[in-house]
Amino acid sequence: EAGVAQSPRYKIIEKRQSVAFWCNPISGHATLYWYQQILGQGPKLLIQFQNNGVVDDSQLPKDRFSAERLKGVDSTLKIQPAKLEDSAVYLCASSQDRGLGELFFGEGSRLTVL
Amino acid sequence: KQEVTQIPAALSVPEGENLVLNCSFTDSAIYNLQWFRQDPGKGLTSLLLIQSSQREQTSGRLNASLDKSSGRSTLYIAASQPGDSATYLCAVRRTGNQFYFGTGTSLTVIP
Repeated sequence: EAGVAQSPRYKIIEKRQSVAFWCNPISGHATLYWYQQILGQGPKLLIQFQNNGVVDDSQLPKDRFSAERLKGVDSTLKIQPAKLEDSAVYLCASSQDRGLGELFFGEGSRLTVL
Repeated sequence: KQEVTQIPAALSVPEGENLVLNCSFTDSAIYNLQWFRQDPGKGLTSLLLIQSSQREQTSGRLNASLDKSSGRSTLYIAASQPGDSATYLCAVRRTGNQFYFGTGTSLTVIP
């Protein structure tokens, strides 16, 4: 079974530039999550999708961050314009709604804003 | 709101030692609890998942326990090895597919 795929793995940009991250969840997983993880901290939820609808985006800085999940499968997270404090690892995860409900993560996308 | 705490934040042990990592949570109304391992620069790898109706789960040298009433879980690692060095995070899941993470315990196993 293929895991959660993310790209790019690394990205370095100047502040005020834009960046986009892509995620493909495990096949059949209805729920998709984007987390931000700053060094030394636990993951912080940015947005949660169920199929192609948003369940929770209360901690998403909507003035600069946006996310979409077209057709309930792939998802894209965009930051525009980036700030220095956006430097972090952006983790995508997916889970089934039923059964064990185990959460699976991708390798993450490390963003450095200069 | 669910709060998850992991103590200690960092732990250093000699190779071969048995060790326990702790995770505590404030709201006992959980669906399950999951332990993860994170290597530097990598994503989180699932180690063990305990359903709310279970008391423990085992996988190889790892054993995780859950006491919902006291809001605690422990991850026991037997005969630690240098390759176990990583950050270990716990996450509790509530209904509605919401997950709450601790800040992790950074483990170093000294050869």
